[in-house]
Amino acid sequence: KAGVTQTPRYLIKTRGQQVTLSCSPISGHRSVSWYQQTPGQGLQFLFEYFSETQRNKGNFPGRFSGRQFSNSRSEMNVSTLELGDSALYLCASSLRRSDERAFFGQGTRLTVV
Amino acid sequence: GIQVEQSPPDLILQEGANSTLRCNFSDSVNNLQWFHQNPWGQLINLFYIPSGTKQNGRLSATTVATERYSLLYISSSQTTDSGVYFCAVNFGNEKLTFGTGTRLTIIP
Repeated sequence: KAGVTQTPRYLIKTRGQQVTLSCSPISGHRSVSWYQQTPGQGLQFLFEYFSETQRNKGNFPGRFSGRQFSNSRSEMNVSTLELGDSALYLCASSLRRSDERAFFGQGTRLTVV
Repeated sequence: GIQVEQSPPDLILQEGANSTLRCNFSDSVNNLQWFHQNPWGQLINLFYIPSGTKQNGRLSATTVATERYSLLYISSSQTTDSGVYFCAVNFGNEKLTFGTGTRLTIIP
C-alpha cells in the first residue's frame, strides 16, 4: 500500500506570491490534516479535512486555506506569501478520525525569499 | 489546550547505549503517538499507544494514562536512530498536539 504522498518536495517562492501544496493520503484514508513546522514554533496544526469538509482549523490567518476532493486528496493554499511562511509543511492521513494512527508524508519544504 | 512536554530536549549517546525518552501531558487523552523525524523531515509513526506497553524490535513504549506520561525506550542504539523524537496527543476529534521533541544523536 502506498504511503502519503506530498508534492512538490521543495519550493522557492517570492514574497507576495501564492502557492498550492498537494497531499494524497493512504488509499482508504479519509481524514487529512496539515501541519506547519518551523524551528521557532515547532509543529503547529493548520487544518483537518474529512469527507471534503473542514472539520478542525488551527490558529492561522485566512491566507492559509485548504480543500479536499472526493478522492480524499487534499490541497492547501497560501496566498500573499510572507518570509515567515518559510517552513516544512507536513500532511498526515488517518482512516476516519484524527485520534486514530496518523501517517505522515515526506513534507514540502517552502522557502519564501 | 493540552500541554505536552518532552524530556530531555537533547541526548547524545554512544552507539550501543540504551535511552529513555519521556513525554508528559497535562490532560486526559485518548490517543498518544510516538514519531521519529528522519533527516529528510518525514515523521515516521513508531507507536500508537494510548495506554499500556508495546514493543517493536529494539524500541518499546509505555503509556500510563492515569498519571499522564509516556516513555519511549531505545535499546542498543544505532546511528540510524539519530533524529528528533516527538510524542503527540489528542482527545476525541481534536487536533494532534505535539511536544517540543527530543533530539537524539548517536555517536559511532
